[in-house]
Amino acid sequence: GAGVSQSPSNKVTEKGKDVELRCDPISGHTALYWYRQSLGQGLEFLIYFQGNSAPDKSGLPSDRFSAERTGGSVSTLTIQRTQQEDSAVYLCASRRTGSYEQYFGPGTRLTVT
Amino acid sequence: GQQVMQIPQYQHVQEGEDFTTYCNSSTTLSNIQWYKQRPGGHPVFLIQLVKSGEVKKQKRLTFQFGEAKKNSSLHITATQTTDVGTYFCGASLAGTASKLTFGTGTRLQVTL
Repeated sequence: GAGVSQSPSNKVTEKGKDVELRCDPISGHTALYWYRQSLGQGLEFLIYFQGNSAPDKSGLPSDRFSAERTGGSVSTLTIQRTQQEDSAVYLCASRRTGSYEQYFGPGTRLTVT
Repeated sequence: GQQVMQIPQYQHVQEGEDFTTYCNSSTTLSNIQWYKQRPGGHPVFLIQLVKSGEVKKQKRLTFQFGEAKKNSSLHITATQTTDVGTYFCGASLAGTASKLTFGTGTRLQVTL
């Protein structure tokens, strides 16, 4: 079946603008994660959704970052008033209930100029 | 917060040589996962370790979880050019088994 998809694949935006990044998880996967990967760096946890539970937002770096997951499926990560340090690849991953394996999407490369 | 240290950051080997990356935590872990990210690609799950002292093998890859469940290693025997990529460990604390803290990764370069 289809894997995790993310859009757009690339996004260039001016400093101060807002951006929305979208993630479509694998159908039926109840858990969804957002990570940030800066150039040559590791995976930085941002937020975790599990079913209808309140999301774990402990990794969001500032209040400019927020995320929603509508209907337990698609998720949107919003960055307001973007800064140059927000430039990174934003990766989404989903996981099936009862499994531990996370399936990653191809990521959105965000460049803030 | 929990920190996961991974060493080395980078290793360059000749094809046929062995390679090992190590993952260390200051706190006891519930489980640890390993992922591989090819250049330009996204992380792909390799394996999960749960039990103290557990050793698992996948062809030329050997994964080990420490007795104290605070460290893990990935060993590749007789590397091939297809092994090129960055290897990440993802660790979860007891009680937070669904949330992973990733190490900084080890980038492996293999040349002929």
